[in-house]
Amino acid sequence: QSALTQPASVSGSPGQSITISCTGTGSDVGSYNLVSWYQQHPGKAPKLMIYEVSKRPSGVSNRFSGSKSGNTASLTISGLQAEDEADYYCCSYAGSSTLNVVFGGGTKLTVL
Amino acid sequence: EVQLVQSGAEVKKPGESLKISCKGSGYSFTTYWIGWVRQMPGKGLEWMGVIYPDDSDTRYSPSFQGQVTISVDKSISTAYLQWSSLKASDTAIYYCARQLWLGAYPAALEIWGQGTMVTVSS
Repeated sequence: QSALTQPASVSGSPGQSITISCTGTGSDVGSYNLVSWYQQHPGKAPKLMIYEVSKRPSGVSNRFSGSKSGNTASLTISGLQAEDEADYYCCSYAGSSTLNVVFGGGTKLTVL
Repeated sequence: EVQLVQSGAEVKKPGESLKISCKGSGYSFTTYWIGWVRQMPGKGLEWMGVIYPDDSDTRYSPSFQGQVTISVDKSISTAYLQWSSLKASDTAIYYCARQLWLGAYPAALEIWGQGTMVTVSS
């Protein structure tokens, strides 16, 4: 069982918007603005899409946005495109006496 | 171009040792932490630990402490992940990635290697 909880799958039609949730606890998502999101296409390495909750790396489309409320972070993709179909993982610093970083179980996005 | 290039796929038997590599280029290798991430077949991502190439400061996830060793040779801009005695459950893709920090906290994995597939089977 993953430390962060994501829906197993979401879907949307081209042009629509979808949101993927990532629920943690007060010890990880709720305590730190250190949530990141990764996109992974089949057979490829993950790609950073969002970091520090809502920041986009250079080169990432502004159709991708992130937010957080309490212990739940969210990734929103607007204007869905076929190439957005992929697995998405959230990640958060989890604190503790030893360094720890935790991922969500991943969400499969299907573009209908 | 900033990139991390990992060593090729490995097939090993249980009990054997293994060291895989991750070579950085296009940036100052010694000034960015390198992290390792495991992805078991059909599963999600797991953060294993990080190393700072300049002084070899290494931190492990509690789940991987004692199971693997992370090291670096800064003279050739290469980080390593090694096992002394492999198990079938070590079968996975292993990614290295450049770790971003926000102050004293790991913030994100910004540049990823292409992954190394490790298969452990008798």
